[in-house]
Amino acid sequence: EIVMTQSPATLSVSPGERATLSCRASQSVSSNLAWYQQKPGQAPRLLIYGASTRATGIPARFSGSGSGTEFTLTISSLQSEDFAVYYCQQYNNWPIFTFGPGTKVDIK
Amino acid sequence: QITLKESGPTLVKPTQTLTLTCTFSGFSLSTSGVGVGWIRQPPGKALEWLALIYWNDDKRYSPSLKSRLTITKDTSKNQVVLTMTNMDPVDTATYYCAHVDIVATAWGQGTMVTVSS
Repeated sequence: EIVMTQSPATLSVSPGERATLSCRASQSVSSNLAWYQQKPGQAPRLLIYGASTRATGIPARFSGSGSGTEFTLTISSLQSEDFAVYYCQQYNNWPIFTFGPGTKVDIK
Repeated sequence: QITLKESGPTLVKPTQTLTLTCTFSGFSLSTSGVGVGWIRQPPGKALEWLALIYWNDDKRYSPSLKSRLTITKDTSKNQVVLTMTNMDPVDTATYYCAHVDIVATAWGQGTMVTVSS
């Protein structure tokens, strides 16, 4: 089973600043990597799939990159509504998808 | 517009079987490539995939929970049912169902299930 790790666990950022979140897979997942955002009390929302393709309605300030085992989610200029927990998830290897432990982005 | 809603008991006793139903609209589970999955999240913890069923009845389970899980679909009712046997307090979590088209593109609001005697 593929193990996903994320760093840092918590990222403190000021509004307007850039945030860079990392995700690593224990073995290659090609570009089969998605990112989700979850706000308190809400279900997760798909942000990125295919490592770099934004989902419908996702603002351009969110971008994803990477392939194989190393991935990055970048939020170019943090808005107040972006403070949340972000999860990466691989969908390359069966039998089931696996999430990372999450990165919490909070206000500095 | 795709919507999903989970339903089931909010409280179950240890050793009991949990049955959750996901009722959805806006898509058909007979469409090629489409699936519905179940994901859970213990309070304050990360997300965990449990099971996934596709339009062709292909079923996938978390290896660590496979012996306890069963996922089925009723295409005519637009429902997917997940059963989990031998519930334990560590299974206390919010359970979500999600529309899957390669990835989980839409999620239900989730239902909190507490396991306690």
